[in-house]
Amino acid sequence: GESVGLHLPTLSVQEGDNSIINCAYSNSASDYFIWYKQESGKGPQFIIDIRSNMDKRQGQRVTVLLNKTVKHLSLQIAATQPGDSAVYYCAENRKGFQKLVFGTGTRLLVSP
Amino acid sequence: NAGVMQNPRHLVRRRGQEARLRCSPMKGHSHVYWYRQLPEEGLKFMVYLQKENIIDESGMPKERFSAEFPKEGPSILRIQQVVRGDSAAYFCASSPSEVGTQYFGPGTRLTVL
Repeated sequence: GESVGLHLPTLSVQEGDNSIINCAYSNSASDYFIWYKQESGKGPQFIIDIRSNMDKRQGQRVTVLLNKTVKHLSLQIAATQPGDSAVYYCAENRKGFQKLVFGTGTRLLVSP
Repeated sequence: NAGVMQNPRHLVRRRGQEARLRCSPMKGHSHVYWYRQLPEEGLKFMVYLQKENIIDESGMPKERFSAEFPKEGPSILRIQQVVRGDSAAYFCASSPSEVGTQYFGPGTRLTVL
């Protein structure tokens, strides 16, 4: 069935390293993708988004890459900090629908 | 600028009772979404509302669950005759338009005893 999923359930990195979190989607009709960060006991926090007419978008310390050919999305975090430790979700917005379809999440653990 | 507000933050109910969850969207946002998150799982869409209208309720269970977003006041997610399986975190999100970014509230954690 249609789904948005993540390759790695847990990613452990050292402080200062760059982190890459991956996400696969299966619906070619999806035209909007969002990355959210969720800390324990809190709601999802918007990080960055990208529309299907773009391949790359950069924010502060974060970059999202979209490869429509292989239906793959990635979130790159530069100079990862302990405060980046959280669960990261990719979410997909399918054209014509307002609801978000969330992936299962990747837990990022940053050790000092 | 206040973000999305949800209350209560924690709610404990016994089986068979009713649960009412409230969501006040960000200022200027007229689109509200409810999602449910089971422990160690991702968020699952439940319902999408605009002022006074339910637009998409495809993710909401047919029985016991209802949602509203009145002209005045917060959006309400109501769960009647709660069961243990309803225990979860319920998140509300809002957006300024139907294609706008959804911003989430802190959630209501419902525990059914």
